[in-house]
Amino acid sequence: DAGVIQSPRHEVTEMGQEVTLRCKPISGHDYLFWYRQTMMRGLELLIYFNNNVPIDDSGMPEDRFSAKMPNASFSTLKIQPSEPRDSAVYFCASSPRTSGGGELFFGEGSRLTVL
Amino acid sequence: GIQVEQSPPDLILQEGANSTLRCNFSDSVNNLQWFHQNPWGQLINLFYIPSGTKQNGRLSATTVATERYSLLYISSSQTTDSGVYFCAVSASNTGKLIFGQGTTLQVKP
Repeated sequence: DAGVIQSPRHEVTEMGQEVTLRCKPISGHDYLFWYRQTMMRGLELLIYFNNNVPIDDSGMPEDRFSAKMPNASFSTLKIQPSEPRDSAVYFCASSPRTSGGGELFFGEGSRLTVL
Repeated sequence: GIQVEQSPPDLILQEGANSTLRCNFSDSVNNLQWFHQNPWGQLINLFYIPSGTKQNGRLSATTVATERYSLLYISSSQTTDSGVYFCAVSASNTGKLIFGQGTTLQVKP
């Protein structure tokens, strides 16, 4: 089976531009997570969805960030406008769990550089 | 929220040596996973181990949930074991995994 698929793998943009990151979770997984990794803060959970519904977005840094999951096989994380401090690796992950703890599987990440 | 502490933060080994990485957590958990982030940045699942002991080749892990810690054992280390090892836990039914800061392992030939 295909794993979690993210695109683009690398993105270089200028400050003020809109950035859209995309994720296709593993088929049949009920949960989808967006994480951000930086040297300073490590791996941070931004937002997660259950059955396409956002459950907890308390990790989203500010209003410039938004995430959607229009269907079970697709999610986007959008930054508008982007700033240099948004530079990081953004990971998408999915989990098959429906109750209790479940195993999380990560995509390969999208490395964002904002100049 | 739950706190996750990993030790040591950095570890340098000679190829062939054994090592033990530790993860302490501050509350009861229903999910604990170990990941290896390789030098290319990929996060690879090693173990899903909220309790008990598991082994996979040269790697094994033990979680003692009642004492709030987990250990990852690497035996006969190889240079390909280099990278960062993360412990992540969830203290609720949400699957909201909180990551520790990781242990950076360098295995020298």
